[in-house]
Amino acid sequence: GAVVSQHPSWVICKSGTSVKIECRSLDFQATTMFWYRQFPKQSLMLMATSNEGSKATYEQGVEKDKFLINHASLTLSTLTVTSAHPEDSSFYICSARDLSGSEQFFGPGTRLTVL
Amino acid sequence: AQSVSQHNHHVILSEAASLELGCNYSYGGTVNLFWYVQYPGQHLQLLLKYFSGDPLVKGIKGFEAEFIKSKFSFNLRKPSVQWSDTAEYFCAAGTSYGKLTFGQGTILTVHP
Repeated sequence: GAVVSQHPSWVICKSGTSVKIECRSLDFQATTMFWYRQFPKQSLMLMATSNEGSKATYEQGVEKDKFLINHASLTLSTLTVTSAHPEDSSFYICSARDLSGSEQFFGPGTRLTVL
Repeated sequence: AQSVSQHNHHVILSEAASLELGCNYSYGGTVNLFWYVQYPGQHLQLLLKYFSGDPLVKGIKGFEAEFIKSKFSFNLRKPSVQWSDTAEYFCAAGTSYGKLTFGQGTILTVHP
């Protein structure tokens, strides 16, 4: 089956630094990838839709300058949390939709802890 | 605004018991409905989906769900659960395979 990977699986950083999270579709091409955020004991909240070769579409309330998304190829999307603060600590999950648009596959998530 | 609500946060059952997890949605226009499962330490996996047609949908591992439009519900069922069904279950609503709105999740614990 289709596999989506995320790197790193967990990261700890100091407040004020930037962190980049990669989302890769390993055995299929994805024109669209989605970035979600999950707080403890809460649901997944969609942050943005990442489209290959174009600007990402952000959900209401998500700061585009803080959460930079780049989707430079059909197999890779990156999320950069700029000037991270403790309140950005969360579990970030990506998903990728294949070219046929028939299904969405989820990555294993990245645990970000900002000290 | 779209929303998905799951009735129970944590359900505890013994093996062979029947399962029903509630899910209600509020969505404008045509909606597609999904149930995902997340086993401990693993990523989200699709259990089943409803786009149109027969409102009773069968998924993997013996799960099924029924779409009741009049009740805005999409409850997940399994006649006899197994210990291996212990996981967190998420109901989601969206348009095709685009943006999804997730419910809060239900943790299912099955005792052997």
